[in-house]
Amino acid sequence: AQSVTQPDIHITVSEGASLELRCNYSYGATPYLFWYVQSPGQGLQLLLKYFSGDTLVQGIKGFEAEFKRSQSSFNLRKPSVHWSDAAEYFCAVMGYSGGGADGLTFGKGTHLIIQP
Amino acid sequence: DTAVSQTPKYLVTQMGNDKSIKCEQNLGHDTMYWYKQDSKKFLKIMFSYNNKELIINETVPNRFSPKSPDKAHLNLHINSLELGDSAVYFCASSQGAEKLFFGSGTQLSVL
Repeated sequence: AQSVTQPDIHITVSEGASLELRCNYSYGATPYLFWYVQSPGQGLQLLLKYFSGDTLVQGIKGFEAEFKRSQSSFNLRKPSVHWSDAAEYFCAVMGYSGGGADGLTFGKGTHLIIQP
Repeated sequence: DTAVSQTPKYLVTQMGNDKSIKCEQNLGHDTMYWYKQDSKKFLKIMFSYNNKELIINETVPNRFSPKSPDKAHLNLHINSLELGDSAVYFCASSQGAEKLFFGSGTQLSVL
């Protein structure tokens, strides 16, 4: 079964500073990987996804993520954070089998705090 | 139009009651899901339906029963509600292994 680890429960970053959120996955085949963001009291919004091809993927709101198969990682980055980026960030892996998609398995999330 | 809509947004009820949460998607997707987000923000899949057929049924008490009248709807019925059922429940849909689209969630509070 697939699993996702986000080792950082909380991260505090100053506004304007760079950001990296870590994600490690476990999956037997080539994974489909996702990053979602959840603002307080809101649903989940997709930031970006990786299926295949270029290992550096660009997403919305200036985010990017790099897939590194050798490290089983899919870290999320942003060169300069804004106060509006304060939210909960979830890394997820999509399982799939002969029956089709098995849904997303999420990490436990990283809570991002932005300091003025 | 909202792609995945679920109602109600908030649900406050007493222990022992039976309640339902409705979900509808207008994206034409074949697969729909229910996720539970606990107080620590952990998201866990509960059920997955593909074309009205149950695909995934994680370890969920049988008090929870999903019902899919057609592939655009996946409702969640909960019997004999318990305190531990308090959580945010998210409906989602996808087409194959593409990204999931999530509803805005239903905050269930059991008193």
